[in-house]
Amino acid sequence: DAEITQSPRHKITETGRQVTLACHQTWNHNNMFWYRQDLGHGLRLIHYSYGVQDTNKGEVSDGYSVSRSNTEDLPLTLESAASSQTSVYFCASSESFSSGVNYNEQFFGPGTRLTVL
Amino acid sequence: ELKVEQNPLFLSMQEGKNYTIYCNYSTTSDRLYWYRQDPGKSLESLFVLLSNGAVKQEGRLMASLDTKARLSTLHITAAVHDLSATYFCAVDIENTDKLIFGTGTRLQVFP
Repeated sequence: DAEITQSPRHKITETGRQVTLACHQTWNHNNMFWYRQDLGHGLRLIHYSYGVQDTNKGEVSDGYSVSRSNTEDLPLTLESAASSQTSVYFCASSESFSSGVNYNEQFFGPGTRLTVL
Repeated sequence: ELKVEQNPLFLSMQEGKNYTIYCNYSTTSDRLYWYRQDPGKSLESLFVLLSNGAVKQEGRLMASLDTKARLSTLHITAAVHDLSATYFCAVDIENTDKLIFGTGTRLQVFP
């Protein structure tokens, strides 16, 4: 069965360290997304990608970066972790409208709980 | 500004009762999605509504879409404890493959 996985599931790090969160999907979806979820803010889009070598900033991209070298993976890097980046991070993927589908249902990974001390 | 507003934000209801969660949005999208999230878990897709007047039902949950009013409803019939979760609606951002999510409705069903 196709799936989307994230690792690690839990991470504790220190302020100033670089952290990379992995996201891997076997749906063969072109679109991949990173969100963070915080109480009172719902889901906020960090970065997204519509295909290999394509990356775009979302509404809360400062301090984060992504790269897309293949269809399956979109790692999220925190360049210098800050306490404000303590959150739960979700990766999601979806088919793209350009592939002929007429809807944009996103499938979510299990999440990574990141704590920055 | 694109907005998706849900109400109520928190709903505590007794088992066996009926209730409706509302999702208002400001885009011109005719596609709307409902997700469920259990505490500490990920988001799970519940319904995909693709046109005006669309209605989908699964068990005690029924979702509908009125694109003219830019309103979707999630109706709960005879609530049971297993329905306790947070429910999110989301809509397409026009001319993109992105979604914008509502802030969620936390549903708690008690005996």
